[in-house]
Amino acid sequence: AQSVTQPDIHITVSEGASLELRCNYSYGATPYLFWYVQSPGQGLQLLLKYFSGDTLVQGIKGFEAEFKRSQSSFNLRKPSVHWSDAAEYFCAVGLASGNTGKLIFGQGTTLQVKP
Amino acid sequence: DTAVSQTPKYLVTQMGNDKSIKCEQNLGHDTMYWYKQDSKKFLKIMFSYNNKELIINETVPNRFSPKSPDKAHLNLHINSLELGDSAVYFCASSQAGATLAKNIQYFGAGTRLSVL
Repeated sequence: AQSVTQPDIHITVSEGASLELRCNYSYGATPYLFWYVQSPGQGLQLLLKYFSGDTLVQGIKGFEAEFKRSQSSFNLRKPSVHWSDAAEYFCAVGLASGNTGKLIFGQGTTLQVKP
Repeated sequence: DTAVSQTPKYLVTQMGNDKSIKCEQNLGHDTMYWYKQDSKKFLKIMFSYNNKELIINETVPNRFSPKSPDKAHLNLHINSLELGDSAVYFCASSQAGATLAKNIQYFGAGTRLSVL
């Protein structure tokens, strides 16, 4: 069965430090991968997506992610974290179901940023 | 102008009551979804509708009944509320493309339901 695993439930980094959030997927075919961010009390906002092509994808707010097929991973990175990046981050894989698509989410990683 | 809007934002109610959550999208999308986020923040799809037709029903109790009066609206009605229904419910919408798994979903801000 398709699944997404985010091994880190909670991560704390200092402001200005680099960040990497891990995501592993289990999917037999070509995965369509997404990272969403959920700020406190807000809905989910798409950060970036990978469908094909260049395995390093750029997103909004200075985030990037690298797709590594050999490791079944799609890790999210940011070179310098800002206090406003504190939020919940979700990795997801897109699947077709009937004549629609659906997202299978990982458990999420809570990012705390220390001043 | 909010793209996907849900009302109410907060809903506190007693066990056994019936309640509804409304969702509207102004993006012109043809597919709408309901997701449930539990207390551990795990997100799971409940339903999806495409052009007012139910497509996905992910083993949700039949106390939950989605209703789509038109493509822009997907409401969620819950009968006989239970303690375990306490969660955040998110509405989302997308436009179906040639490859369905690539559909980018746009989410509302969520409705926090508390059943006492």
